[in-house]
Amino acid sequence: ETGVTQTPRHLVMGMTNKKSLKCEQHLGHNAMYWYKQSAKKPLELMFVYSLEERVENNSVPSRFSPECPNSSHLFLHLHTLQPEDSALYLCASSQDSGGLDYGYTFGSGTRLTVV
Amino acid sequence: KQEVTQIPAALSVPEGENLVLNCSFTDSAIYNLQWFRQDPGKGLTSLLLIQSSQREQTSGRLNASLDKSSGRSTLYIAASQPGDSATYLCAVLNYGGSQGNLIFGKGTKLSVKP
Repeated sequence: ETGVTQTPRHLVMGMTNKKSLKCEQHLGHNAMYWYKQSAKKPLELMFVYSLEERVENNSVPSRFSPECPNSSHLFLHLHTLQPEDSALYLCASSQDSGGLDYGYTFGSGTRLTVV
Repeated sequence: KQEVTQIPAALSVPEGENLVLNCSFTDSAIYNLQWFRQDPGKGLTSLLLIQSSQREQTSGRLNASLDKSSGRSTLYIAASQPGDSATYLCAVLNYGGSQGNLIFGKGTKLSVKP
């Protein structure tokens, strides 16, 4: 257990479904992130939240919608996804905004399959 | 644009061997460099964090070095064990640009044979 908990661990959804991924950290960190890991590609940053405010949207399609209701929770709402969106979605947090001093802590990820 | 390269892409060694994993990056203006371990289908476990002002960090059998000017880092694993089998990822945090944009390499997949 790394201190960053992601649920569900696995998710299979149809292209017309709406689902949400959840991330929770009780490390007292101030920033949270969503990353996408596709086969054969490096991890890609999707969203950054610092002190509950979104500071970065890395040109992610609107079918992905993040939500950060408080500093401990982060959601990724999914709707009308495409099969190419199938990937491992990883949540991370950092004590300081940007991970300058202490680096990042990652969760175990949600394996998403879009059918 | 920062690019991170890890060589080799895969490595297989017998148990007990000492080994070195390599990471190179194109832009030396970094805040820090972090090494992670990823088991199949799992998330990332942080191994070592090296700040740009540091030359190396050690944790148990692991030693990571950083040569910022040449854009290189190495992860040294002593007396490898089958339990070390995993993919090892290197990531750098840049100055400027996107806040919190950790740039990853594609990883080195390590297999330690009993």
